[in-house]
Amino acid sequence: KAGVTQTPRYLIKTRGQQVTLSCSPISGHRSVSWYQQTPGQGLQFLFEYFSETQRNKGNFPGRFSGRQFSNSRSEMNVSTLELGDSALYLCASSPWTGNQPQHFGDGTRLSIL
Amino acid sequence: DQQVKQNSPSLSVQEGRISILNCDYTNSMFDYFLWYKKYPAEGPTFLISISSIKDKNEDGRFTVFLNKSAKHLSLHIVPSQPGDSAVYFCAASRLGGNTPLVFGKGTRLSVIA
Repeated sequence: KAGVTQTPRYLIKTRGQQVTLSCSPISGHRSVSWYQQTPGQGLQFLFEYFSETQRNKGNFPGRFSGRQFSNSRSEMNVSTLELGDSALYLCASSPWTGNQPQHFGDGTRLSIL
Repeated sequence: DQQVKQNSPSLSVQEGRISILNCDYTNSMFDYFLWYKKYPAEGPTFLISISSIKDKNEDGRFTVFLNKSAKHLSLHIVPSQPGDSAVYFCAASRLGGNTPLVFGKGTRLSVIA
């Protein structure tokens, strides 16, 4: 069974640009969550999507947004990039919302210059 | 306000000995706890979980203990192996509820041969 796939693996952007990251969950999983990991900060929850609806949102500014498609694939978008947005962005899927444990992809490493 | 705390950023253990990783939480509503392991350049991998109706859960070399009154859980790895060297994250949630996983900042375990 294929795991969670995130693309691209690495991305370099400059301040002010926008970026879109993609996540394909495990087949049959309908819940997709996004996390930001920065050095020394652990994993911070961004948002969760289930059945194309945002179920939960973390404490991040509105520049961070996401969506989920009918095939459960998800994208997250960050607009007006700032240096502090440099991080590893992780996507995790689970069969149902509130159903743990979540299965993580290997992440997208975003660097802002 | 950090709801899940891993107070030891790092831990070194000799191969064959026991590794004990600790985690404290402040939110008494949490009733489901998980441990994830993360290698560099990979996403976190689920290790073991425990719900609040139990105080111990075992899976091979890994055992998680939960002390609800102290709001404390620990992960024991016996015997420790060099391949266990990784960052370990503790996470907490409400099982079945509409709440996301809350992660600690992680403990880097080094198992020395």
